[in-house]
Order: sequence, then structure tokens, then C-alpha cells
Amino acid sequence: DAGVTQSPTHLIKTRGQHVTLRCSPISGHKSVSWYQQVLGQGPQFIFQYYEKEERGRGNFPDRFSARQFPNYSSELNVNALLLGDSALYLCASSLAVGANYGYTFGSGTRLTVV
Amino acid sequence: AQSVTQPDIHITVSEGASLELRCNYSYGATPYLFWYVQSPGQGLQLLLKYFSGDTLVQGIKGFEAEFKRSQSSFNLRKPSVHWSDAAEYFCAVGRTPNNNDMRFGAGTRLTVKP
Repeated sequence: DAGVTQSPTHLIKTRGQHVTLRCSPISGHKSVSWYQQVLGQGPQFIFQYYEKEERGRGNFPDRFSARQFPNYSSELNVNALLLGDSALYLCASSLAVGANYGYTFGSGTRLTVV
Repeated sequence: AQSVTQPDIHITVSEGASLELRCNYSYGATPYLFWYVQSPGQGLQLLLKYFSGDTLVQGIKGFEAEFKRSQSSFNLRKPSVHWSDAAEYFCAVGRTPNNNDMRFGAGTRLTVKP
């Protein structure tokens, strides 16, 4: 079975641009979460989606948005990119919402804003 | 608010030596606790997790962790380190019963000397 897949793996954007990151969860997993990992820090929670509904949002500005599709894949969108948005964006999937299910992380998308 | 502290930014051990990585958490209720490992350019892999019950938890790759409520700690241990264990290690705490906002520590980078 394929693990969590994220695309693209690397991306370079200019300040002010928009970016869309994509994630496909493990087959059968219905929950997808997004994390931002700035170099030298631990991941920070951005969003969680379950059954196409937002189930949690971290402390990020409205420039960040996400959605989940009927096939449980997800997109993370970031508008008006800032230099500080440069980070590794991690997607994690789980069977459902609940800490006992645990997460499986993808390898991430490395976003560089110049 | 919940938080996680990993006091050691960088640890170096010799191959074959024992390892202990420290993690302290701050959380009002019984936490869900996790240890993840991240190799360069990769996503996070779950090593082990604690929800309740036996305070000594066994994980993959020969790792174990002990939950000590009185010390608010969840330290990761391995009796004999292998060169392939060199990586970044993250401790995380999840809210109960929903894991939609898992808080990660800043990580500890492990270097293994031959």
C-alpha cells in the first residue's frame, strides 16, 4: 500500500504569489492534517480535516486555507506568500479523529519563498 | 496550554552506547504522548506512543520510553545506539480525545560517532 503522498516535493515561489500543496492519504484514512515545519523547529499544526469538514485550526493567518475532497485527498492553499512561509509542509493522515489512531506523515513539500 | 520541552538541542553518542532523550510536557489532563523520528529530507516516523496503562512503552527499532507523571516527563531510551539512529527526534503531546492539535517539541538532533 502506498503511504501518504505529497506533491510537489519542492517548490520555489516569489513573495506575494499563491501556492497549492497536495496530499493523498493512506487508502482508508479519512482524516488529513497539515503541519508547517520551519527549519530548526518542530512541526506546527495548521489544519485538520475529517470527512471533508474542518475539525481543527491552528494559529495561522487567514492566508492559509485548506479543503478535503470526496476521495479524502486534501489541498493546502497559501495566499500572498511571505518570506516567513518558507518551510517544510507536512501532511499526515489517520483513520479517524482521535489521538489513539495516530498519524502517518508524508515526506513533505519544501516551499521556498524568495 | 499544552507544551513540550526538549531540553537538549543536540546530543552526540558513540555507536553501541546507551541513549536517553529528554522530554517534558505541560498539560492539565492525562496526555497522549508520542515520539517521532525524522531523517534528513524525510517526514516523521512514529517510534512509540503512550495513552494509558503501563508507563513503560516499547516502540520500533529497539526504542522505549517511560511516562513519569510526577516529573511530567516522557524520556526516550535505547540501550545500544546504531549509526542508522542518527536523526532528529521529536516528542509530541496530543489533546484527548482529539488529536487535531498535536504539539511538538523543538527536537533533539542525534549524532552517532563510530
